Amino acid sequence: DIVMTQSPDSLTVSLGERATINCKSSQSVLYSSNNKNYLAWYQQKPGQPPKLLIYWASTRESGVPDRFSGSGSGTDFTLTISSLQAEDVALYYCQQYHSPPITFGQGTRLEIK
Amino acid sequence: EVQLVQSGAEVKKPGESVKISCKGSGYSFTTYWIAWVRQMPGKGLEWMGIIYPDDSDTTYSPSFEGQVTISADKSISTAYLQWNSLKASDTAMYYCARHGEAYGDQRGWFDPWGQGTLVTVSS
Repeated sequence: DIVMTQSPDSLTVSLGERATINCKSSQSVLYSSNNKNYLAWYQQKPGQPPKLLIYWASTRESGVPDRFSGSGSGTDFTLTISSLQAEDVALYYCQQYHSPPITFGQGTRLEIK
Repeated sequence: EVQLVQSGAEVKKPGESVKISCKGSGYSFTTYWIAWVRQMPGKGLEWMGIIYPDDSDTTYSPSFEGQVTISADKSISTAYLQWNSLKASDTAMYYCARHGEAYGDQRGWFDPWGQGTLVTVSS
C-alpha cells in the first residue's frame, strides 16, 4: 500500500497569512504514461463530509477559491492557502489514487492564531 | 445538482446485521465508480472499497475484505454497504463518494460525497 504522510499534524496561522501543508507518499504517484500525479486534497469541517479542493495535484475544483493551490510531483506535494480566511479552519487530507487500495494522509488540523 | 443521499443513522448490537444505502441523483449513476469510506470517531479517512454500478465490478481494501459487502442496484441508482455480524469496532461514520470522472478505472478522486451514515454498535 502507498503510505501518505502529512506534515505538520496541526498548524496555527494568523488571518491573512499563508498556510502550507505538506504530503509525502511512500512511492511515486506520478503515472509516466500521462505525466499526471494521482493526488487530491480535501477539506473537512466539523460535522461535514470531506470536500474536494484539488485533483491531479494542482487542478483546482470548480468553485474553490483561488487562494487554494496545489503543487508538487512524484512523492512530495504541498497545499497552500495564500491568505488564510476564518472559514478555512478545518482538517485537510491528501489522497493518492495511483494504486488501490486508495489511501489518505492522516490529516492536518488548521487553526487561526 | 449531483448529489449522494445516504440512509439514516443506525444503532445496533454486536452480532447484528445492517445494510446502509447511498442514492445518487443528478447524473448517470451507472457510469461513475462509487466508493465507501470509513471515518472512526476522531480519526482519519479509510477507503473500504469501490463498485462500478453498471456491472457491479467491486474491489475491496484488504483491510475490509470479508468484513463487509458492497453492492449496487442500478435500477434505483443506489449503492449499499452491509455487515452480517457487527462488532463494536465498526462504530464509525461511513461515507459514500463518487469518482470525479465518468468511466475510467478504480483510480480516481472523490466528488461529491454523501452526507454520511453514523453506525453505532453497542451492547
